[in-house]
Amino acid sequence: GQQVMQIPQYQHVQEGEDFTTYCNSSTTLSNIQWYKQRPGGHPVFLIQLVKSGEVKKQKRLTFQFGEAKKNSSLHITATQTTDVGTYFCAGGGGADGLTFGKGTHLIIQP
Amino acid sequence: GAVVSQHPSRVICKSGTSVKIECRSLDFQATTMFWYRQFPKQSLMLMATSNEGSKATYEQGVEKDKFLINHASLTLSTLTVTSAHPEDSSFYICSASFRAGYEQYFGPGTRLTVT
Repeated sequence: GQQVMQIPQYQHVQEGEDFTTYCNSSTTLSNIQWYKQRPGGHPVFLIQLVKSGEVKKQKRLTFQFGEAKKNSSLHITATQTTDVGTYFCAGGGGADGLTFGKGTHLIIQP
Repeated sequence: GAVVSQHPSRVICKSGTSVKIECRSLDFQATTMFWYRQFPKQSLMLMATSNEGSKATYEQGVEKDKFLINHASLTLSTLTVTSAHPEDSSFYICSASFRAGYEQYFGPGTRLTVT
C-alpha cells in the first residue's frame, strides 16, 4: 500500500530560525495535504497541493509539491513560539482516507 | 470553517463493555467520514472510511466486528468499540469531507481508556 515518509521526526530550533519538514511518498500522489496538530489538540488543515511543482505560501509558511508529485516540503521562515506542534503531511484524500506521514515535532526554544 | 464535533471527549470503561463515539459535522453535510486512531506522539492511522447510507470500508488489520461504524446521515457517524480491552485504549479521531478530493476537517478526538 501507499507509504508516506516524513523527516525529521523531531526538530529543535531557536526562535527566529527557519524550519523545514520533508515528505516522500512511495507512489505518485493525486494531492498532498498538510496538517498541524498542537499538543493535546487535533489536526487542523493547513493546505492542499494538487499540481506538479506547485508552490503555495501562507505568511511565513511555504509549501512545495515536487515535479513528480511524490515529495513535498513545508518551510517556516523565522519561527515563532506559536509554531510549536506536530506537522503532518498526508497523501490522497477525498473519497479515500488520508495516509499520514509520522509527523515532525517542532520544538522551539525561546 | 467547517466544524466537526465528537462526543464524548473522554471515556473510561471497564474491560468487556462497549463504547459508542459520535462524530457530527455541525455546519456542513459530509459525504464521507473517516475514523482514525492515534497513539501518543505517533501519527494517525486510518481505521475506516464511512459513506452515508452504505457499509464502511475498513483498512487492513482493523476488525470490523470489533469496531462497528454506522453512518446514518450526512452529518453523523458513530464508532462503537465492542467488548473493549485495555489494548483498545487510544485517541480516536474522526474527520469529515464535504467534497471528494478536498480537505478533511477533524473532530477534537475521543480519549478512550479501558481498565
